[in-house]
Amino acid sequence: DIQMTQSPSSLSASLGDRVTITCRPSEVVSNYLNWYQQKPGKAPKLLIFRTSSLEGGVPSRFSASGSGTEFTLTISGLQPEDFATYFCQQNYELPHTFGQGTKLEFK
Amino acid sequence: QVQLQESGPGLVRPSETLSLTCTVSGGSVSAFYWSWLRQPPGKGLEWIGYIYHSGSSNYSPSLKSRLTMSIDTPKNQFSMTLTSVTAADTALYFCARNPKGAYDFWGPGMLVTVSS
Repeated sequence: DIQMTQSPSSLSASLGDRVTITCRPSEVVSNYLNWYQQKPGKAPKLLIFRTSSLEGGVPSRFSASGSGTEFTLTISGLQPEDFATYFCQQNYELPHTFGQGTKLEFK
Repeated sequence: QVQLQESGPGLVRPSETLSLTCTVSGGSVSAFYWSWLRQPPGKGLEWIGYIYHSGSSNYSPSLKSRLTMSIDTPKNQFSMTLTSVTAADTALYFCARNPKGAYDFWGPGMLVTVSS
């Protein structure tokens, strides 16, 4: 299985900040890398698919990039509703695997 | 707007079988792949498997020996059964659609507890 390692595991930030989360797959996943936001007790919400494509309805303050074995999710201008946990996921090969999550907390 | 809803018992006894159904509305199961995922309390997400409208399926290797998925296109539902459950199977179970490898619509999740 492809192991997905996210860093940091937690992050404190303030409204308006720009934050970056990194995801490192244990193997090359081409551009088959997706990002999700999850709030407590809720289902994950797809933010980004295929490394950098913004899912419909997701604000443009979310962006992502990467290749090979290093990918990043950036949130520019944090809003109150952005404080949540973020996961990366690869769909390069089965089984699909997820990162352990990055919890974004209010400073 | 596609909506998914998980249903089934919230409590299953050890060694018994866990059965869940996902009902889809606002879209048809006769297209795309339909998946199950789970999240143990306080932990990350685990892919369980998917089924296609044709009935073809693919399961997580770690669960394959205990897992069966099925799809009912007239009812617009798909289901999973997991046999011989243990406490390690306690989790929030999600059904989701994955048309492009990413999961774009999810059910709200159903907590299943394995306990005597």
